[in-house]
Amino acid sequence: QVQLRESGPGLVKPSQTLSLTCTVSGGSISSGGYYWSWIRQPAGKGLEWIGRIYTSGSTNYNPSLKSRVTISVDTSKNQFSLKLSSVTAADTAVYYCARGTSSSNSWFRFDPWGQGTLVTVSS
Amino acid sequence: QSVLTQPPSVSGAPGQRVTISCTGSSSNIGAGYDVHWYQKLPGTAPKLLIYGNINRPSGVPDRFSGSKSGTSASLAISGLQAEDEADYSCQSYDSSLSGWVFGGGTKLTVL
Repeated sequence: QVQLRESGPGLVKPSQTLSLTCTVSGGSISSGGYYWSWIRQPAGKGLEWIGRIYTSGSTNYNPSLKSRVTISVDTSKNQFSLKLSSVTAADTAVYYCARGTSSSNSWFRFDPWGQGTLVTVSS
Repeated sequence: QSVLTQPPSVSGAPGQRVTISCTGSSSNIGAGYDVHWYQKLPGTAPKLLIYGNINRPSGVPDRFSGSKSGTSASLAISGLQAEDEADYSCQSYDSSLSGWVFGGGTKLTVL
């Protein structure tokens, strides 16, 4: 079955750009009409949707983060990536990648997920 | 503060039934958008538990059930087992925010 794994630096300095990659295994990122998504969870808080990308390259971002977020896909490597610029301590969180299912906003859910990676923003 | 409101914690003894609520508003659950539930066991990836309010993915025991009414949804777990001890989160779409939103998560403790 499809599995996802996040990778990237665990420590980022304030004002710099956070960069993470999600590697998809067990299936092609280009098949099936799925949306590939990023979600994060600060310690002690709820999950927050960051954004998603379709295999065509079309993206949707959380309006609260849109000015700082870029999600891209590399189908040749079966990977998709997240860049979050101008980070602050408030961006410290566990970052998850996930596959989004369904083109309907209502029916859209995340399955499966990666295990998550902790990113700390600190000097 | 999460858009969807869940109790921070619930608990129950083995074999008992517990419910976890997820309260939204007229721009998400109350607008008719579906609710999905996730289970996060310690050290593992979050897992889809219930989708479309009431549906269980293949492999999820029928001890888990979902419901929705008005601006709220609920996850019920019957016949509690020690392995059910986990964090549970609800998710829906919010038309005002133009994106997908989650609850703050509920930690289930099996006594």
